[in-house]
Amino acid sequence: KAGVTQTPRYLIKTRGQQVTLSCSPISGHRSVSWYQQTPGQGLQFLFEYFSETQRNKGNFPGRFSGRQFSNSRSEMNVSTLELGDSALYLCASSKGQFKDTQYFGPGTRLTVL
Amino acid sequence: QQQVKQSPQSLIVQKGGISIINCAYENTAFDYFPWYQQFPGKGPALLIAIRPDVSEKKEGRFTISFNKSAKQFSLHIMDSQPGDSATYFCAASWGYGQNFVFGPGTRLSVLP
Repeated sequence: KAGVTQTPRYLIKTRGQQVTLSCSPISGHRSVSWYQQTPGQGLQFLFEYFSETQRNKGNFPGRFSGRQFSNSRSEMNVSTLELGDSALYLCASSKGQFKDTQYFGPGTRLTVL
Repeated sequence: QQQVKQSPQSLIVQKGGISIINCAYENTAFDYFPWYQQFPGKGPALLIAIRPDVSEKKEGRFTISFNKSAKQFSLHIMDSQPGDSATYFCAASWGYGQNFVFGPGTRLSVLP
């Protein structure tokens, strides 16, 4: 069974631009969560989707948004990029309504210049 | 309240030794405590997890010890190997696993 895939793996953007990251969960998984990982702040929860609905949202500004499609694939968007948005963005999927066991993708490394 | 504290920040252990990483939490609503292992360039991978109704769980060389009254849990890696060198994160969740909080991570180096 294929794991969680994230595209692209690396991105370089400049301040003020916007970016869209994509996540394909493990086949059959309906829950997708997004995390931001930085050396200073560690792993921080962004939001979680289940069956195309956002169930939970972390403490991030409205520039960070996401969505989930009917096939469970998810995208997250960051608008008006800031230097501090440089991070590894991780997507995790879980099978059902309860995301006890999360399986992480390799992440997208975003660099904002 | 939502934090999970983790120590030490880094740990160096000789091959064959025992690695111990500790975590503490405040929110008594947490009901699921997983540990993740992350290698450079990879996403975190679930290592082992425990619920508060048991005090210990062992899987191979990895053991979680859980102290509900002290609101602490720890990961023990027995017979540590150089291949165990990675960053370890403890985490806690509540609400049927809908809300995850991660510790800051421990960088483990196992010397050959």
